[in-house]
Amino acid sequence: GAVVSQHPSWVICKSGTSVKIECRSLDFQATTMFWYRQFPKQSLMLMATSNEGSKATYEQGVEKDKFLINHASLTLSTLTVTSAHPEDSSFYICSALAGGSTDTQYFGPGTRLTVL
Amino acid sequence: AQSVTQPDIHITVSEGASLELRCNYSYGATPYLFWYVQSPGQGLQLLLKYFSGDTLVQGIKGFEAEFKRSQSSFNLRKPSVHWSDAAEYFCAVASYNNNDMRFGAGTRLTVKP
Repeated sequence: GAVVSQHPSWVICKSGTSVKIECRSLDFQATTMFWYRQFPKQSLMLMATSNEGSKATYEQGVEKDKFLINHASLTLSTLTVTSAHPEDSSFYICSALAGGSTDTQYFGPGTRLTVL
Repeated sequence: AQSVTQPDIHITVSEGASLELRCNYSYGATPYLFWYVQSPGQGLQLLLKYFSGDTLVQGIKGFEAEFKRSQSSFNLRKPSVHWSDAAEYFCAVASYNNNDMRFGAGTRLTVKP
């Protein structure tokens, strides 16, 4: 149980275009999802916390107008990278918080974004 | 704010040898502590977690970790490493509601045949 999927697994786009990444909790409901960014050979950096039905909370330094997050249902959150530039190229990973007495984040497999 | 330090960027061990990966955390209250493993190009897989209770935590794949409050440490151990254990290992700390997880820089494990 507690499987999180991401789509697409990789994407290549031209500079200036927008890219949408989906994160789904497949067998549980997630009121809270998280988006992370990981640069090569580095750790994960929390970008934003996404709560179902409300606005996302962004970490300091993350441009909310560039990284649009929508959490429209209990099983789906989307991250849209708007007007992507080469410096946005990265590995984007989402996680979903499973409820219960021992809350644990379950991570998706990640999406590799390359902006040309 | 909480933070995590993994002092070892890269560790190489021989197959069959024991392993210990170090993790030190900084957090004002009782932390939630995690170890995750990431294979190349993959997402993170939870190895084990500590919330409370027994300070020696057993995880998957034969891993265990011990929470030592006095040392602010949560080191990961395995008695006998397999070649398939080669990966990146991340220690993480979160607040009680798991809404603010912070990761260490990671330790890359190489396993020699």
